[in-house]
This record gives sequence, C-alpha cells and structure tokens, in this order.
Amino acid sequence: KQEVTQIPAALSVPEGENLVLNCSFTDSAIYNLQWFRQDPGKGLTSLLLIQSSQREQTSGRLNASLDKSSGRSTLYIAASQPGDSATYLCAATGFQKLVFGTGTRLLVSP
Amino acid sequence: GAVVSQHPSWVICKSGTSVKIECRSLDFQATTMFWYRQFPKQSLMLMATSNEGSKATYEQGVEKDKFLINHASLTLSTLTVTSAHPEDSSFYICSAPHRGGGYEQYFGPGTRLTVT
Repeated sequence: KQEVTQIPAALSVPEGENLVLNCSFTDSAIYNLQWFRQDPGKGLTSLLLIQSSQREQTSGRLNASLDKSSGRSTLYIAASQPGDSATYLCAATGFQKLVFGTGTRLLVSP
Repeated sequence: GAVVSQHPSWVICKSGTSVKIECRSLDFQATTMFWYRQFPKQSLMLMATSNEGSKATYEQGVEKDKFLINHASLTLSTLTVTSAHPEDSSFYICSAPHRGGGYEQYFGPGTRLTVT
C-alpha cells in the first residue's frame, strides 16, 4: 500500500527566501508525481506534474524533482512571496489513483 | 487546461437527510472520476473510484450504502450522502484524469458539507 509523507509539516519563512519542500513515497511503481497548492477552504490547484520517466519539471519560480529509486520528490520555491502562503500537497499516482501526502503548511511573512 | 466543476460549492443539511453532490468534466470526457474527503487540517483521503457504466469501487472503510456514487455519463459523476450525520460534515472534492495531460488529475473546487 502506497504511503506518502511530507516534511516539514509546517514552515514559516521571511519573504525572499528560497525553500525546499520534501515528499517521500514507499512504492516506487508510480505513474507520475503531482504537486498541488491548496488555499484555506479552497480546492486544489495543480502546480507541477512529473511523469515517471522524467526527473524534473519547472514552472516559473517552482521546480520539482523526482527520484523514483529513492522514493523522493522535492519542490523548490525560489524567492518566496507572501502570496505563496498555502498548504502544499504532493500526490503519487499509481494508474490514475492518487495517494496524497500529509501536506506542508507554508507561511511567508512580508 | 481541463476544467472540472462541482455543485453545490457548499450545502447545509439537517441530520437524517440526503445530499447529492455533482462533479462534471466540462471540456473532456472521463470514464473514471475520483471522490475524496478532507477533514479540517488533514490531507485528502480517497473515498471511491467512480466508473462510467459500472459500479463504483470503494476504499476500505468507506460505506458504499452511505455514499452512493453514480457515474451517469462520460462527463458527470454524483455522490449522494444518505442519512447524513454531523460526522459526515467535511470537504468533498472530485477529480478526473485527463488523458491528454499524461493522466494529470484535474480537481473540482470542492463542496463544503455541514450537517446540523
């Protein structure tokens, strides 16, 4: 059974810092790995999707990497802004079915 | 990008009544959709897989007679919470994989259910 863990559970940083969010999964037989953002009381916004054959994906200030052999993915956020404050979720996909991580609550202070 | 909608966005109902939540893929067809539940400050937990034209597949611990799922067409899945109780109060979110996006999952905006 796939289990996905995220570290840290919460993170508070001043504006401008670069930061790394970690995601680990127990079963390396994944189809893809997806990162999401969730604002309080809202739905999910897809940030990046890394297919199993890929090593990383980039979108703007975000960069996500995937190492299937070690069961890890990282989300790198450059030059953080207060608007980045949200909960970040990673999810491992095993043929369409997603297993979500525990989430990292990020607070970026001005 | 692909769009998934949910209706209603929030609903308040009395204990013992039933509530139906709709999930629609607006610009693509989805033979499979997924229903998740999220309690406050917790992550999303998969409840069931909705399959067009066949029975839904429920995750362990989810009561299929309480959470009725109907995938009536390639663009619509419904989740009915029957005989709702306060402990069913939660945030319900659906998703659908889009083949063109490498099976990237697109999520609806969620439905906040409060049972009084």
